[in-house]
Amino acid sequence: AQTVTQSQPEMSVQEAETVTLSCTYDTSENNYYLFWYKQPPSRQMILVIRQEAYKQQNATENRFSVNFQKAAKSFSLKISDSQLGDTAMYFCSSGNTPLVFGKGTRLSVIA
Amino acid sequence: EADIYQTPRYLVIGTGKKITLECSQTMGHDKMYWYQQDPGMELHLIHYSYGVNSTEKGDLSSESTVSRIRTEHFPLTLESARPSHTSQYLCASSESGLRGRSFFGQGTRLTVV
Repeated sequence: AQTVTQSQPEMSVQEAETVTLSCTYDTSENNYYLFWYKQPPSRQMILVIRQEAYKQQNATENRFSVNFQKAAKSFSLKISDSQLGDTAMYFCSSGNTPLVFGKGTRLSVIA
Repeated sequence: EADIYQTPRYLVIGTGKKITLECSQTMGHDKMYWYQQDPGMELHLIHYSYGVNSTEKGDLSSESTVSRIRTEHFPLTLESARPSHTSQYLCASSESGLRGRSFFGQGTRLTVV
C-alpha cells in the first residue's frame, strides 16, 4: 500500500518569490515514480513534474524543481519566480497502481 | 490537451434518481480511475480499473458502481442518488508503466436535491 502525506493545507507566496511545498510518502515498491500535479481553480488537473526513485538527480521543469530525499521518503516541490498562474491546488502522488494522492496544498500567489 | 472527457459537466437531480456519469478517453489507456472531490479539497479514490472487465473499489466507500466493457469507456452509476452524493466526480486515466503520467477530465459537479 502507498501513502502520501502533505502537511501544508494552505500556503501563500508573493509574486516572483520562491515557495516549497512538502510531501512525504511511504511505499513498499523497489522502483517507483513520484509526481506532482496541479489543479487550477475550475480547470483540469495537469502533471507538473515527475521523479524516478532510482535517479539521484532532482527533476527540473522550467521554474519547477523537486528536492527528492529517498532515505527520508521526502519529495518536495520548489516553485521559483512564482507567477499568478501558479495559484492552484497541488497534489503529490506516489506511483500509479492505483493512483493515490496526498490531501493537497492550496497555493495562493499574491501580486 | 487531455483527451479524456466527462459528461455531463453539471447535473442537478432529485433524490432517488438513477444517474450515470460518463467518462471516455481516446488515448488507449488501460488504467482508469474515479475520484470524489469536494471543491478545493482532497481527492478520494472510489473506483479504478486496470483494463477491460477489471474493476476495483478504492479507499473511499461508495454506493456507486462502475463498468469497463470497452477500454475507452468507464462510466460510473448511482442507482439511487442521495444528498450525501453531492460532490465533484473526477475521472482520470494513466499511461502504462511506472513513469506513466495521468490525465484528468474536467469533472462532473453533481448536486442531489
